Amino acid sequence: GAGVSQSPSNKVTEKGKDVELRCDPISGHTALYWYRQSLGQGLEFLIYFQGNSAPDKSGLPSDRFSAERTGGSVSTLTIQRTQQEDSAVYLCASSPRGQIAFFGQGTRLTVV
Amino acid sequence: KQEVTQIPAALSVPEGENLVLNCSFTDSAIYNLQWFRQDPGKGLTSLLLIQSSQREQTSGRLNASLDKSSGRSTLYIAASQPGDSATYLCAVDTGRRALTFGSGTRLQVQP
Repeated sequence: GAGVSQSPSNKVTEKGKDVELRCDPISGHTALYWYRQSLGQGLEFLIYFQGNSAPDKSGLPSDRFSAERTGGSVSTLTIQRTQQEDSAVYLCASSPRGQIAFFGQGTRLTVV
Repeated sequence: KQEVTQIPAALSVPEGENLVLNCSFTDSAIYNLQWFRQDPGKGLTSLLLIQSSQREQTSGRLNASLDKSSGRSTLYIAASQPGDSATYLCAVDTGRRALTFGSGTRLQVQP
C-alpha cells in the first residue's frame, strides 16, 4: 500500500477481554514502532522492531501486552485482559533505518 | 536515558506571524531528529528530518535547525496561517532505540 495501515480504526471492548491490533507497514521498511497516546498526552513508546534484531520491548507497560512481527512485515499488538487504563490511541509507524518515520492513522481503543 | 523537552507547551499567535518552536534533548549522540505535525484525532505526519551531520533543513515555510552539541533544535514557521494550527512534535533517533518524542507544542493560529 501507499502508507502504513492500521486496523481496526476503532475498537470498543469490554474490560477483561483480549484485543489484537494490526499494523501493515510500508513494504521494505525495516523498522516498525508501536506507540500509544492517551487523551491529551504525548506519545508513549511500547515496542520497536528493527530488521531481524531482537525487538526492544522495554516500553511495554505490563506482561498483558505483547507484539510480534511476522516475516519482517505485518505486526500485531495484543493486549490481554484489557483494563480501562488501556484506553488510548495506538499508533504504528515504519521507516527505513535512520530515515523518516511514517505513521498510520492509529487504532482508538476504548475499554468499557 | 534520552529525554526530549518541547517549549512552549502551547502557543497562540495571530495569522501572519513568524514563530519558533523549541526542542531540547539530553543525549547529543543522536542519529537524526525529526519534526512531526499531528492534527486532532489523526496520526503523525513527518515535516522535516535533520541528519546528525546537518545543521538545518527547509521545506516551504518551515525551517528546522539542529545544534547537536547543545542538544537543541528549533522549528521556524514563517508567515503562519490558520491551517498551521496543530500539535508539533520533535523526536530524536539514537540509532539504537525507537524514536523518543517530546510532549509537543500545541499551536493555534488565529485568523
